Amino acid sequence: SQELEQSPQSLIVQEGKNLTINCTSSKTLYGLYWYKQKYGEGLIFLMMLQKGGEEKSHEKITAKLDEKKQQSSLHITASQPSHAGIYLCGADTQGAQKLVFGQGTRLTINP
Amino acid sequence: NAGVTQTPKFRVLKTGQSMTLLCAQDMNHEYMYWYRQDPGMGLRLIHYSVGEGTTAKGEVPDGYNVSRLKKQNFLLGLESAAPSQTSVYFCASSYWGKADGYTFGSGTRLTVV
Repeated sequence: SQELEQSPQSLIVQEGKNLTINCTSSKTLYGLYWYKQKYGEGLIFLMMLQKGGEEKSHEKITAKLDEKKQQSSLHITASQPSHAGIYLCGADTQGAQKLVFGQGTRLTINP
Repeated sequence: NAGVTQTPKFRVLKTGQSMTLLCAQDMNHEYMYWYRQDPGMGLRLIHYSVGEGTTAKGEVPDGYNVSRLKKQNFLLGLESAAPSQTSVYFCASSYWGKADGYTFGSGTRLTVV
């Protein structure tokens, strides 16, 4: 079974629209990482959250970690074609410095 | 500054053949990891290492072996390749306790026929 559940698994939005991707765990998250992957390429680090209630932003992407440190959301404002790709959440659920990942969310931006 | 380098980038194997994937990092990271990525499955941890000379099993270790003889290198071996091992393999490295993310290689696409 997957320790991290991402939803949705696939998302198609029109350019300019906002969107949210969720990442949920049944265990406490010691560190929550968001990565972006363009099709057929490697992972690009976006953000890392550690503290309950923490929120970080980079350009038009905002990520939050809930107070209980069991759920994170990634929000994109005014989506652009450059946002298309696969978004992956990864987390250290044991404090053991090894990441487990969700299934990924495939984001398509329609012009 | 190369970061994490994986070789080869592509490989086609016949069932039963063996091969070794090489991961090299130049950031003096203690931790190194091997993941595989399959459609709809995200990344799954195969093996990892917390330092030179150490290795540990991840989520899906069967059919793979690893070695970390030098701090900068982490090798992933397939002794007898199977079609189920067709996947994209990613190597990553990190410092212990450093909260700025793990560094990933660009991946190796392996096809077993």
